[in-house]
Amino acid sequence: GAVVSQHPSRVICKSGTSVKIECRSLDFQATTMFWYRQFPKQSLMLMATSNEGSKATYEQGVEKDKFLINHASLTLSTLTVTSAHPEDSSFYICSARDEGRFEAFFGQGTRLTVV
Amino acid sequence: AQKITQTQPGMFVQEKEAVTLDCTYDTSDPSYGLFWYKQPSSGEMIFLIYQGSYDQQNATEGRYSLNFQKARKSANLVISASQLGDSAMYFCAMREFNTGFQKLVFGTGTRLLVSP
Repeated sequence: GAVVSQHPSRVICKSGTSVKIECRSLDFQATTMFWYRQFPKQSLMLMATSNEGSKATYEQGVEKDKFLINHASLTLSTLTVTSAHPEDSSFYICSARDEGRFEAFFGQGTRLTVV
Repeated sequence: AQKITQTQPGMFVQEKEAVTLDCTYDTSDPSYGLFWYKQPSSGEMIFLIYQGSYDQQNATEGRYSLNFQKARKSANLVISASQLGDSAMYFCAMREFNTGFQKLVFGTGTRLLVSP
């Protein structure tokens, strides 16, 4: 149990376009999901906390208008990178909490390359 | 504010030996949880072990054990009988249970290489 599915696993897009990444909890409901960004050989940096039915809470320094987060249901959160630039190229990974468990469960991650 | 520190950027160990990965933390919340995750080159995050701040005994999960020293605010991961498949990045993380969304914050990670 407690499976989180993230899609797509890899995406290449052109500068100026938008990319949507989906994060789904497959066998549990998640009122809260988290989005992280990871640069090569670095740690996971929390970008924002996604709350079902309300606005996301962004960490300091994260551009809300560039990284749009929508948590429309208890099993789906989406991250949209708008007007992507090459510096947005990174590994994005989501996690979700099953309220009955201590640990967070992670999606497989999305490697975004902006050309 | 919660903080996690991993001071070992890289560690080497021979197969079948034990290795300890260090983690120290800082928090003012008396109720918190400490986690270790493994990240192989594929990028997925694999949960290894959990220790709660009120747990009296050190957590163990198979070959993984957590050396929890609360007074020193350390939560070191011990991997016994290392295997080649243990080569990966290892992240220590913490969640404060009395703060807002209980977000999980990570340390900088330790790259473990297991040699034959």
